[in-house]
Amino acid sequence: EPEVTQTPSHQVTQMGQEVILRCVPISNHLYFYWYRQILGQKVEFLVSFYNNEISEKSEIFDDQFSVERPDGSNFTLKIRSTKLEDSAMYFCASSEAVDRASGQPQHFGDGTRLSIL
Amino acid sequence: AQKITQTQPGMFVQEKEAVTLDCTYDTSDPSYGLFWYKQPSSGEMIFLIYQGSYDQQNATEGRYSLNFQKARKSANLVISASQLGDSAMYFCAMREGNGANSKLTFGKGITLSVRP
Repeated sequence: EPEVTQTPSHQVTQMGQEVILRCVPISNHLYFYWYRQILGQKVEFLVSFYNNEISEKSEIFDDQFSVERPDGSNFTLKIRSTKLEDSAMYFCASSEAVDRASGQPQHFGDGTRLSIL
Repeated sequence: AQKITQTQPGMFVQEKEAVTLDCTYDTSDPSYGLFWYKQPSSGEMIFLIYQGSYDQQNATEGRYSLNFQKARKSANLVISASQLGDSAMYFCAMREGNGANSKLTFGKGITLSVRP
């Protein structure tokens, strides 16, 4: 069964450094998302992406964050200057289509655990 | 107001018994979708089941079923014949909006522990 792939599984970075989290969505999916989950807390929406542009972003997704789909398969999340509070699990998700009546779920990758020192 | 409310503390169930995990939601949109995801201790998010607001019947997927009560705005997950591997965190989530504006809003989750 096709799946969303995220790399790396764990990233340790010094505060202030840039980090790029990578995702390969399911190949026929059109909609892409990033979520994060601070340890022990609920999953929070960061950004959605469709047709090579951001569709919606949350308050968390400030100027330090950016997303890109550099080729036909990868979808990346960049944090330009990491802060301690960026430490979290970051999930990439993709879905085939979005229709209010459809049950197309968002399929999640296994996540990248980001630790900022 | 919270969009998704999961208020149960940690839940315990005996192996092979059924368990219900509660979820209530709040939306003014007549069209929405409700999802349940499982998060084992390894951290991945696994899609379990979906219920659309216009679906006439409660969703079922194997041992998972959704007790959808639209008037009460509840979408409880029922797991039948619990297995040890069901021990995990369970998240209820809602999708509102259409097109690319279709983010999921998650509840805080419920921890389920299955006892042998």
